[in-house]
Amino acid sequence: DTAVSQTPKYLVTQMGNDKSIKCEQNLGHDTMYWYKQDSKKFLKIMFSYNNKELIINETVPNRFSPKSPDKAHLNLHINSLELGDSAVYFCASSQWGGEVNGYTFGSGTRLTVV
Amino acid sequence: AQSVTQPDIHITVSEGASLELRCNYSYGATPYLFWYVQSPGQGLQLLLKYFSGDTLVQGIKGFEAEFKRSQSSFNLRKPSVHWSDAAEYFCASFTGGGNKLTFGTGTQLKVEL
Repeated sequence: DTAVSQTPKYLVTQMGNDKSIKCEQNLGHDTMYWYKQDSKKFLKIMFSYNNKELIINETVPNRFSPKSPDKAHLNLHINSLELGDSAVYFCASSQWGGEVNGYTFGSGTRLTVV
Repeated sequence: AQSVTQPDIHITVSEGASLELRCNYSYGATPYLFWYVQSPGQGLQLLLKYFSGDTLVQGIKGFEAEFKRSQSSFNLRKPSVHWSDAAEYFCASFTGGGNKLTFGTGTQLKVEL
């Protein structure tokens, strides 16, 4: 049973399109996150939700909109895709106060914008 | 704000040799520190963590790390590297002020057979 699952694993799309990435966790965690990994492997947090409430909203273009229908799901919708959005997007989850156990990550979604 | 730095971008070791990957942190209080590994095309897997207690922590896959406050370091070690250890390794810590895990820039490990 996959703990944190993301779909799709690969996404190739044209500039200007709108796309969504879905994430689900079955660990019973109450907090979920989106990270972006650029071509140099640098990981940067984008958003986090705790019990469906937005907690962290880093400096991310407002073309990116996260949605959490319940604490087990966190989706990422991206409008008007740009070339610079090409990256690997990771979903993660933790129990609030994840300092003790860290985060559990999904396997990532590789987004390529052409 | 707490942060971690990984001074080595690439490291190459021979299979069977020992390994040490460096991580330095900056924080006044005791930090929460982690090492993650990312195999090619995969997600991030937690190797080990430290937040208090014994300064030598054991992780999965035969890895260990030692917290040294005097050197502000949390280096990852393995006595004998296997070819399957080739991957990207990330040191991470929590940035003060909440639930935000911040990563170092990563060290790519290559293993020569």
